[in-house]
Amino acid sequence: DAKTTQPNSMESNEEEPVHLPCNHSTISGTDYIHWYRQLPSQGPEYVIHGLTSNVNNRMASLAIAEDRKSSTLILHRATLRDAAVYYCILRDFGNEKLTFGTGTRLTIIP
Amino acid sequence: EAGVAQSPRYKIIEKRQSVAFWCNPISGHATLYWYQQILGQGPKLLIQFQNNGVVDDSQLPKDRFSAERLKGVDSTLKIQPAKLEDSAVYLCASSSKTFRGRIYNEQFFGPGTRLTVL
Repeated sequence: DAKTTQPNSMESNEEEPVHLPCNHSTISGTDYIHWYRQLPSQGPEYVIHGLTSNVNNRMASLAIAEDRKSSTLILHRATLRDAAVYYCILRDFGNEKLTFGTGTRLTIIP
Repeated sequence: EAGVAQSPRYKIIEKRQSVAFWCNPISGHATLYWYQQILGQGPKLLIQFQNNGVVDDSQLPKDRFSAERLKGVDSTLKIQPAKLEDSAVYLCASSSKTFRGRIYNEQFFGPGTRLTVL
């Protein structure tokens, strides 16, 4: 499985935008970029995914570099409820399997 | 719509005892997964079912772990005998490539069972 690299932890102030980076220099042409997050004492939950173009949904935006070797998850206005571990995962088109790394622990400062 | 259900939520056992976890996936989801999450790490896939058949169990320690998904719905994961290093959260997830006419790409996770082996 292609690997991703994320910072271990990040902090952000409440009500400010948050940019969570992910490097995936060995991404293949059929890999989708998925983001999941895990709130304290809960199972992971899907956030967003994309292939080449930037994506937006009600939770976040995903900005994908033109060469696809990196991506950024954007939370437009962080709240205390966004404090979680965020996982960036590469998932092959034909495979439902997810391989989690250690993710980025996001702390929101009130 | 009901999510993925798991029970029990917590379990404490002595090493060498056996334990079983139960999972009820989202209705209609054909694919079911069991993950192990050790403290401070991301979830690790143990086994993946497609209906009642095993798709991937390459990371399941088969000398002590077993899982089944009878009738392609509920699933149980068993550990026998348990070791100290089995202390972890066991997560169940389900997914369906298409569901009610919509294409899905995500897995839906249950709350997990926290196992402590003493």
